[in-house]
Amino acid sequence: GNSVTQMEGPVTLSEEAFLTINCTYTATGYPSLFWYVQYPGEGLQLLLKATKADDKGSNKGFEATYRKETTSFHLEKGSVQVSDSAVYFCALSDQGQGAQKLVFGQGTRLTINP
Amino acid sequence: DAGVIQSPRHEVTEMGQEVTLRCKPISGHDYLFWYRQTMMRGLELLIYFNNNVPIDDSGMPEDRFSAKMPNASFSTLKIQPSEPRDSAVYFCASSPSTGFISGNTIYFGEGSWLTVV
Repeated sequence: GNSVTQMEGPVTLSEEAFLTINCTYTATGYPSLFWYVQYPGEGLQLLLKATKADDKGSNKGFEATYRKETTSFHLEKGSVQVSDSAVYFCALSDQGQGAQKLVFGQGTRLTINP
Repeated sequence: DAGVIQSPRHEVTEMGQEVTLRCKPISGHDYLFWYRQTMMRGLELLIYFNNNVPIDDSGMPEDRFSAKMPNASFSTLKIQPSEPRDSAVYFCASSPSTGFISGNTIYFGEGSWLTVV
């Protein structure tokens, strides 16, 4: 079945460092891909998305490019801030189930130190 | 514009008691989802509804769990009897009807933090 694999955390960086969180997926068909962020004590919020190959999603300085050839959707940010500390989830739409189910990765906890 | 509203935010209950979690989706959204989040298993989809009808409940762990959606603006997730292994954060989420193919996504509530002792 469809699945998402994220790099294991936790990830700890210093402020202004470059961030990459790897995400690869297995899917039949052509899923849409998403990154969600969960701040402490809150629900998940959509960070960015891409609906087809080579699309780049971007928001708040974060970017991810839908790479069909490598089945990847890695999250990047050039200069992280303390406020970026959160758990990040990669997800895909499960088209085999009527495209209304999201399959999530296990999440990557990111801590940014000042 | 109000988001997905869940209640209670926090609940501590004794093993064997009935627990009812409540959710009000975003107005106009046709899909409602219940997720459970634990450290061990991550984020799991329990059940989802379309136009108040349960579509896929394959993620519901066992008969102790049940979910209903009596109308477009209200859903409940019930656990009876509750057990310590049910301790988790339960998220409700909703989405519009056009689905993920067009890039729509789901909107999560802030979660109900359940502890069963």
